[in-house]
Amino acid sequence: LAKTTQPISMDSYEGQEVNITCSHNNIATNDYITWYQQFPSQGPRFIIQGYKTKVTNEVASLFIPADRKSSTLSLPRVSLSDTAVYYCLVGDPGDSSYKLIFGSGTRLLVRP
Amino acid sequence: GAGVSQTPSNKVTEKGKYVELRCDPISGHTALYWYRQSLGQGPEFLIYFQGTGAADDSGLPNDRFFAVRPEGSVSTLKIQRTERGDSAMYLCASSAQGGLEQFFGPGTRLTVL
Repeated sequence: LAKTTQPISMDSYEGQEVNITCSHNNIATNDYITWYQQFPSQGPRFIIQGYKTKVTNEVASLFIPADRKSSTLSLPRVSLSDTAVYYCLVGDPGDSSYKLIFGSGTRLLVRP
Repeated sequence: GAGVSQTPSNKVTEKGKYVELRCDPISGHTALYWYRQSLGQGPEFLIYFQGTGAADDSGLPNDRFFAVRPEGSVSTLKIQRTERGDSAMYLCASSAQGGLEQFFGPGTRLTVL
């Protein structure tokens, strides 16, 4: 499974756009990129998933360049409630075990 | 509909005791996963069930840990002879048929004194 590298922490202010970049240099052809969000004392929550180019949903956008060796999670106009840990994961949905491999994530702190 | 539920939410036990942690997945989800999360770390995979069988138990740390899912729905994680190092948040997740989108429960915080 491809290893991912992301910043340990980020600070932002309410109303700003936040971009969290994840490196996955050894991503395999069949791998997808998935992001999860985790609030304190809660389980992780799926945010978004993509294979290439750009994916957007009601929560975030995911930008993936052509070489797929990195990806950027973009959170528009963050609020205090977006303070959480964000995990970037890479994996093949066709893999028989489907287990998620989490790193340490990026701790995002949104200030007033 | 109802999400994944886990009971108890907190469990405090003494070293050497036996504990059981329960997970109720989303109705109809055939895939069920257990993860363990230590403070400041990401969740760590323990075991994966597809239906009633453990398809992948490679993450179980040792033979003190065991999990069952006898009817393909509710699962129980069992830890024998607990040690202080077992203290962590134990998370359960389910999904419709495997895949990278998994739905997590709120977890059980286990503390071994």
